[in-house]
Amino acid sequence: GAVVSQHPSWVICKSGTSVKIECRSLDFQATTMFWYRQFPKQSLMLMATSNEGSKATYEQGVEKDKFLINHASLTLSTLTVTSAHPEDSSFYICSATPGRVGNQPQHFGDGTRLSIL
Amino acid sequence: GENVEQHPSTLSVQEGDSAVIKCTYSDSASNYFPWYKQELGKGPQLIIDIRSNVGEKKDQRIAVTLNKTAKHFSLHITETQPEDSAVYFCAAGGSARQLTFGSGTQLTVLP
Repeated sequence: GAVVSQHPSWVICKSGTSVKIECRSLDFQATTMFWYRQFPKQSLMLMATSNEGSKATYEQGVEKDKFLINHASLTLSTLTVTSAHPEDSSFYICSATPGRVGNQPQHFGDGTRLSIL
Repeated sequence: GENVEQHPSTLSVQEGDSAVIKCTYSDSASNYFPWYKQELGKGPQLIIDIRSNVGEKKDQRIAVTLNKTAKHFSLHITETQPEDSAVYFCAAGGSARQLTFGSGTQLTVLP
């Protein structure tokens, strides 16, 4: 149980294009989803927390106009990297927690490797 | 905010030996401590977690210990196997929705 699916797993695109990444909870309802960024051989850095039906909360230093997050349903959150540039190349990972209280663990997707040429 | 330090950054053990990874945290209000295993090109997978009202938790070959007074917690893997090779992350927070991750430990189990 508690499976999170992320799509696509790998995307390569030209500088200036926008890229959308989907995160789905397959067998549970996720009131909260999280988006992380991970550089090679580094830890996970939280970018934003999204709650179903409300605006995402961004961490300090993360540009909300650059990284658009939508959490329109209890099973789907999307991250759109707008006008992507080479410095946006990274491994983006989402996670989700079931339920509405804070005692359920985060379950992670398998990540999306984004390469901007 | 919370600060989590993890050691060692790399760890090599012989198959069948035990592996121990240690983390310290700074915020005494933290009361949830999960451990995640990340294989190459994959997302982290929860392997065990512990809450502050418990000092130790065990699941087969994996155990976690917590010392709230000293603000440190450790992951113990016994009878290591090659498939245990991965990057392990500790995390700490007030709840599962408020986590700060450690820097990771690359564990290599040598056959």
